[in-house]
Amino acid sequence: EAQVTQNPRYLITVTGKKLTVTCSQNMNHEYMSWYRQDPGLGLRQIYYSMNVEVTDKGDVPEGYKVSRKEKRNFPLILESPSPNQTSLYFCASSKGLAGPEQYFGPGTRLTVT
Amino acid sequence: GNSVTQMEGPVTLSEEAFLTINCTYTATGYPSLFWYVQYPGEGLQLLLKATKADDKGSNKGFEATYRKETTSFHLEKGSVQVSDSAVYFCALSFGNEKLTFGTGTRLTIIP
Repeated sequence: EAQVTQNPRYLITVTGKKLTVTCSQNMNHEYMSWYRQDPGLGLRQIYYSMNVEVTDKGDVPEGYKVSRKEKRNFPLILESPSPNQTSLYFCASSKGLAGPEQYFGPGTRLTVT
Repeated sequence: GNSVTQMEGPVTLSEEAFLTINCTYTATGYPSLFWYVQYPGEGLQLLLKATKADDKGSNKGFEATYRKETTSFHLEKGSVQVSDSAVYFCALSFGNEKLTFGTGTRLTIIP
C-alpha cells in the first residue's frame, strides 16, 4: 500500500530536549516536505526536499533542521524545542518537483512544555 | 505573494443540506487550484483540483469551478452526509512550486 508514515504520532517533551520526527514514503517520490498546522493559520511549509541531499527552507524554517540522505526518508529535527513549536506536523511527498498531488502522512502532535 | 482566503468556520449543517465553502485567491498569473480534505485524526487527502480557468473539478459528489474573473474556487455539494464531516482546505500552486493553503474550514454534519 502506497503511504507516508510518521513516527511518533504523539510526543510530549520539555523545552530544550532534542527530538526527531521520522517520515518515510514507499512511493519512490522525489519531493518531500514538512508542514506545521496551527489553528487559524492553516498549513505552513517548514522545509522541503527536491531529491536526495537537496533541501531548502519553506515559510517557517526557524528552529528546525532536516536531512535527506535516502530518497524514502526525510526526518525533521528540533535541536532545542520551545513551547512555540507545539503544533501538529505533517510530512508529505509527491512525484516530481512539488507535484500538486501530495500524499500526506497521518500527522505528529507535538507538545513542548 | 500568493495567498488563499477561505470562508471562516466552523460550518454546521444538517444531513442532506446544500454545502458551499467559499475560497478566493490572490496570485500573479493563473495557478492550479485544489481542495484537500482532512478527516478526523488523519492527514490531508486531495479531494479535487482544476488546472485552468473554467475547469470544474469533481469527486465524491463535491464540485468546484475555477473562476478567473472572480479569482474563486468555491466548493459545493448538493446533499451532504455525516461522513463529510471534516476540515476542508483550499490551496494553490504554480507548476513546480509549493502548495499555498488557506486556513481551513471545519465542517460538521448533524443527522
